[in-house]
Amino acid sequence: GQNIDQPTEMTATEGAIVQINCTYQTSGFNGLFWYQQHAGEAPTFLSYNVLDGLEEKGRFSSFLSRSKGYSYLLLKELQMKDSASYLCAVGNTDKLIFGTGTRLQVFP
Amino acid sequence: KAGVTQTPRYLIKTRGQQVTLSCSPISGHRSVSWYQQTPGQGLQFLFEYFSETQRNKGNFPGRFSGRQFSNSRSEMNVSTLELGDSALYLCASSLTNRASSYEQYFGPGTRLTVT
Repeated sequence: GQNIDQPTEMTATEGAIVQINCTYQTSGFNGLFWYQQHAGEAPTFLSYNVLDGLEEKGRFSSFLSRSKGYSYLLLKELQMKDSASYLCAVGNTDKLIFGTGTRLQVFP
Repeated sequence: KAGVTQTPRYLIKTRGQQVTLSCSPISGHRSVSWYQQTPGQGLQFLFEYFSETQRNKGNFPGRFSGRQFSNSRSEMNVSTLELGDSALYLCASSLTNRASSYEQYFGPGTRLTVT
């Protein structure tokens, strides 16, 4: 079967660091994606990992361990505008399988 | 470069009716995927097209269908609408022929309400 798990909600304080975890069990794997979706808007691409390790892109980093079926998205120096849903997705034979998303609320 | 466009943005239909949604991908993108997004289920894959061929289909009933034209524009159709079809329908386009291993660009979606 296909299963992607991530926490439903998280809260954090402006300026802090937050880590959003994602675990997956899928029959195929072409890579792991993270998307950001603000309320009422379309998802936008954040990162893509296909090999194990950490990918850093500004304030955002994403980590992948294929043997553990595990990824995380790390957000540093949180800003109010980072309040959004973060979607973990696994690439699998020409489609993306999404988790239900983690809603992050950043408080001042 | 224009982004992915979807029309209409909002739609209200009655149970039993049918609906057609349209998606124009980013110029040069040949892969188009469709997703249904609901609060409880999140984003669920409907189907993916590349060069007018459906390459992959999600677990949705046959009432959901789609097609892609030679200019890469795509349409999806839902027949005999049910209340549970109320959702945000998102279209995404990708540059390569491997939609599962490359960044997808999403359109703003069509909000469908079935009454």
